[in-house]
Amino acid sequence: GAVVSQHPSWVICKSGTSVKIECRSLDFQATTMFWYRQFPKQSLMLMATSNEGSKATYEQGVEKDKFLINHASLTLSTLTVTSAHPEDSSFYICSARYLAGSVYNEQFFGPGTRLTVL
Amino acid sequence: AQKITQTQPGMFVQEKEAVTLDCTYDTSDQSYGLFWYKQPSSGEMIFLIYQGSYDEQNATEGRYSLNFQKARKSANLVISASQLGDSAMYFCAMREGFGSNYQLIWGAGTKLIIKP
Repeated sequence: GAVVSQHPSWVICKSGTSVKIECRSLDFQATTMFWYRQFPKQSLMLMATSNEGSKATYEQGVEKDKFLINHASLTLSTLTVTSAHPEDSSFYICSARYLAGSVYNEQFFGPGTRLTVL
Repeated sequence: AQKITQTQPGMFVQEKEAVTLDCTYDTSDQSYGLFWYKQPSSGEMIFLIYQGSYDEQNATEGRYSLNFQKARKSANLVISASQLGDSAMYFCAMREGFGSNYQLIWGAGTKLIIKP
């Protein structure tokens, strides 16, 4: 099946630093990647949708200057949390989708990255 | 109005019993799809089952089946012969339309705990 990896799986950083999270589709080309944020005991909140080679589309209320998304290739998207603060601590999950080969174009999810900002 | 409603925040079920997780949805689209995902404590979202709005038969995948009642706009997940490893959060999600840039709309989730 389609595999999506995320790196790192967890990260602890100091307030004010920037953190980059990578999302890779390992065995397929992802035309679209999604970034979600999940608070404890809550559902997934879509942050942005990115298509390879174009700017990400951010959901309302998500600061694009704080959460930089780059989808430079069909297998890699990165989320950079700039000048992270404790309120940015959360579980970040990416998913990837390809149009061909799937009847219903399901999204394949990465294992998530737990970010803790001290 | 919420598009995906999961009315059960949590459930306790005895091992080996069947369990039904509720999901109702709201859409005016004729073409849509419904997903169920499992999220264990490790955090990974695991795809379980999919039902398309035009599918005439209920979807089944091993111990998972989807009780799709289109007129009632419900898509309940049924897990037969529950196992301890089924303890997890379960999310129902909906895709509206077949456009290439569709998004998934998520329910709030149900925490399922299987008791030995």
